[in-house]
Amino acid sequence: DAKTTQPTSMDCAEGRAANLPCNHSTISGNEYVYWYRQIHSQGPQYIIHGLKNNETNEMASLIITEDRKSSTLILPHATLRDTAVYYCIVTGSSNTGKLIFGQGTTLQVKP
Amino acid sequence: EAQVTQNPRYLITVTGKKLTVTCSQNMNHEYMSWYRQDPGLGLRQIYYSMNVEVTDKGDVPEGYKVSRKEKRNFPLILESPSPNQTSLYFCASTLTAGGPWEQYFGPGTRLTVT
Repeated sequence: DAKTTQPTSMDCAEGRAANLPCNHSTISGNEYVYWYRQIHSQGPQYIIHGLKNNETNEMASLIITEDRKSSTLILPHATLRDTAVYYCIVTGSSNTGKLIFGQGTTLQVKP
Repeated sequence: EAQVTQNPRYLITVTGKKLTVTCSQNMNHEYMSWYRQDPGLGLRQIYYSMNVEVTDKGDVPEGYKVSRKEKRNFPLILESPSPNQTSLYFCASTLTAGGPWEQYFGPGTRLTVT
C-alpha cells in the first residue's frame, strides 16, 4: 500500500470550506484513496473514497489530481462537529483489508 | 441500522485474568478485524478474519486470540492480560477484504490492565 503524507494540523472557520490535502506519490494503478475521520476517541468513520475521478457524497468531496499523486478532501461548510483527526489511506484490491492509519490531520473548526 | 457493536465499552481488570471483548455486526459482512490504538502509535491491526473459520494475524497479534464461528461475531480474547495491553480497541467490518468498500468501526473498548 502506498504511503501517504498529510499536514499535522489545520484550522478552519465555522461555515467555511475545509480543504485537507494528502500526498500519495507512490500510489499504484489499482489503489484507491480513502478518507476516514476520528472524532475524539470514537471509532473511525468512513467519509469517502475514489480511484481516479472526483467523488462527492453528502459528507464531502474528494478531488484527485490527474496523475493521482495527491488528493484533497473538501468539507464544504465545516461545523464545530467536524473537528476531528482526518486520515487519508491508500489501499489496493489485493490487500488483506488492513487500513494503515498514519498520524492524520487534526482539523480544528473554530467559531 | 447498520452497525458494529462492542462490549464492554470500558473494562478495568488485573494482570492474568482472562477476558473477552465481543464484537458483532449486522450487515452480513464477510471481513472483520480488530485494531488497537495507542498514543503516538496510531491504530494497529491485531487480527483479521476473511470469513467464518478463517482468521489471520495482523501486525500486533502477540497476547491475543480470536475466533470466527459465526459470520456476525468476532470476539477478541486476552487469555492472560498484561499492563502493556492497556489500550483502546476497535472492531471493524466490511463486505469483503478485496473490494473498494467502506469499513465500519465499532465504538471502541477502553481496556485498563493493572
